[in-house]
Amino acid sequence: QVQLVQSGSELKKPGASVKVSCKASGYTFTTYAINWVRQAPGQGLEWMGWINTKTGNPTYAQDFTGRFFVSLDTSVSTAYLQISSLEAEDTAVYYCARAFGSGNFDYWGQGTLVTVSS
Amino acid sequence: QSALTQPASVSGSPGQSIAISCIGTSSDVGGYNYVSWYQHHPGKAPKLMIYDVSNRPSGVSNRFSGSKSGNTASLTISGLQAEDEADYYCSSYTSSSTRVFGGGTKLTVL
Repeated sequence: QVQLVQSGSELKKPGASVKVSCKASGYTFTTYAINWVRQAPGQGLEWMGWINTKTGNPTYAQDFTGRFFVSLDTSVSTAYLQISSLEAEDTAVYYCARAFGSGNFDYWGQGTLVTVSS
Repeated sequence: QSALTQPASVSGSPGQSIAISCIGTSSDVGGYNYVSWYQHHPGKAPKLMIYDVSNRPSGVSNRFSGSKSGNTASLTISGLQAEDEADYYCSSYTSSSTRVFGGGTKLTVL
């Protein structure tokens, strides 16, 4: 069965970096795009961007350029989200999601809580 | 890209029907038949309920239906059940080849 399994919770200090992984199984990894979605505490879902798993080409939402970097390792069917120069406002649950069609997210990871605190 | 506009909350009694609106622009909701809806129970991963405006994924109850008119999409839930209580989000493809979510609607089953 299709599964997306994300890495565990992270506690980071301001200014540090974090890398969240999303390992896919149960389907051919390069057949579907991987998207990233953020949910800050008490807030709604925010679409961060997606990566074409065939070409490795990423696309970012306007609010997620500069410090956010999405990458792949197709040999292990894993996508990564790296955030640099962490700020307290980056504290959130980060989800990866498989997309079909024009961005319909049919399978989601369990979410990774990233907490940024001094 | 601004978030799509949803009501903050809606409520209904068991057995009733409710509708949640999702207002966008001609650059997103109105320009494409690529609106999807997600159900999100706190602490769990969101679940796809409707895609491409009105299509239901396999396994989703036919009590859930979607529609669109102009720049406004809607999710209707009929025969409300206690388990439907959750947050609901719409999402649309945009003219920038990106996606955007609505602000979310909290559904309370009274």
